[in-house]
Amino acid sequence: DTEVTQTPKHLVMGMTNKKSLKCEQHMGHRAMYWYKQKAKKPPELMFVYSYEKLSINESVPSRFSPECPNSSLLNLHLHALQPEDSALYLCASSQDLTAYEQYFGPGTRLTVT
Amino acid sequence: DQQVKQNSPSLSVQEGRISILNCDYTNSMFDYFLWYKKYPAEGPTFLISISSIKDKNEDGRFTVFLNKSAKHLSLHIVPSQPGDSAVYFCAASAAAGGTSYGKLTFGQGTILTVHP
Repeated sequence: DTEVTQTPKHLVMGMTNKKSLKCEQHMGHRAMYWYKQKAKKPPELMFVYSYEKLSINESVPSRFSPECPNSSLLNLHLHALQPEDSALYLCASSQDLTAYEQYFGPGTRLTVT
Repeated sequence: DQQVKQNSPSLSVQEGRISILNCDYTNSMFDYFLWYKKYPAEGPTFLISISSIKDKNEDGRFTVFLNKSAKHLSLHIVPSQPGDSAVYFCAASAAAGGTSYGKLTFGQGTILTVHP
């Protein structure tokens, strides 16, 4: 199994809603990542988890809250988002932080209204 | 400050010909480089990579060349096929820096269109 799965595929939420994005991998990878990608732009790193601990937070606003409940799962909790947060949210994993190759999921297309 | 640049937003080639995608970087601490392919509505797919200790890496139709002195790398696809049509991202990592572990810096992407 070389797949990273993400749910939901699409999400529309209001600025007062609370929602969560989910990411799962069963490759035994110990590093997991959240990226944000706006249209016609490259992916931008948000968070990195290593062995279920937060390793990197790229100064992301607190309305985005990551969680790594176990080595296979990564969540991104969303609260009080702004319309400019609308983007494709990508999850990735790698064997560990020393492995350069990251494997991406299909993403969640988020629209904030 | 864009540390990884792909100066060609798009490239159009004929099926069977060579596609050459270029990437320049400014951070001399980068020691590993990757190419990803992305189809619409999908996540990026890892294609090929190269360490800074090498100047060439080949995998089937895909070859990546690295010129460290020029801080330039290129991806060659030979022969190009219509199914190669996608956005190609160059990415770089400076893992030796400790705090940079796990961080990939991406270029802006180049849209490749291969015409039958």
